[in-house]
Amino acid sequence: QLQLQESGPGLVKPSETLSLACTASGASISSSSYYWGWIRQPPGKGLEWIGSIYYLGSTYYNSSLKSRVTISIDTSKNEFSLKLNSVTAADTAMYYCARIQYCSITGCSETYSYYYMDVWGKGTAVTVSS
Amino acid sequence: EIVLTQFPGTLSLSPGERATLSCRASQSVSSSYLAWYQQKPGQGPRLLIFRASTRATGIPDRFSGSGSGTDFTLTISRLEPEDFAVYYCQQYGSSPLFGGGTKVEIK
Repeated sequence: QLQLQESGPGLVKPSETLSLACTASGASISSSSYYWGWIRQPPGKGLEWIGSIYYLGSTYYNSSLKSRVTISIDTSKNEFSLKLNSVTAADTAMYYCARIQYCSITGCSETYSYYYMDVWGKGTAVTVSS
Repeated sequence: EIVLTQFPGTLSLSPGERATLSCRASQSVSSSYLAWYQQKPGQGPRLLIFRASTRATGIPDRFSGSGSGTDFTLTISRLEPEDFAVYYCQQYGSSPLFGGGTKVEIK
């Protein structure tokens, strides 16, 4: 059974780069069936999608963060990573990684298409402060 | 850009009662891409419903989803003590987007 575990520094200084990794166990992230994503949640607030990656390396980013985000994947380590540069206090949040199940309407037809995040990590708290 | 509005913001109910949570999109979205999640304090979200009405593996049948177009509903037929949590809807259009959440609290 797939498990995801986020890791990385819990404290990052303003203007520096936040770097997190998500390690998968129990299944390979090289499967063509899935995408892999990062989602964050500021304290007391809702969920915000940061970006996603396919095992072949295609990336998709939230337009509001696109200029600062890089997501990469290392299939040899069975992990994918998030880098967010030029961080500010507004980037303080719990960061989650998740497995995404996706089949488009054009690829799978309306009847069989889907998009959802079915496996989540426990999250890692990141504070941006000097 | 699509906006997802969840209401009410907070629902105060007693165990055994029925909970009806709403998720409204600012424009029509495909029900194929509508999902619901439950989040308890200190935990990551848990998938409940995908394709607007399909229960995820292991989700009790007291949870049901419905809707189409711009209006979607998550119903919990009889609240159990473990159901008091925050619930989020999520849609995928040009990119994934979550609603602001509904907190179901004990009355």
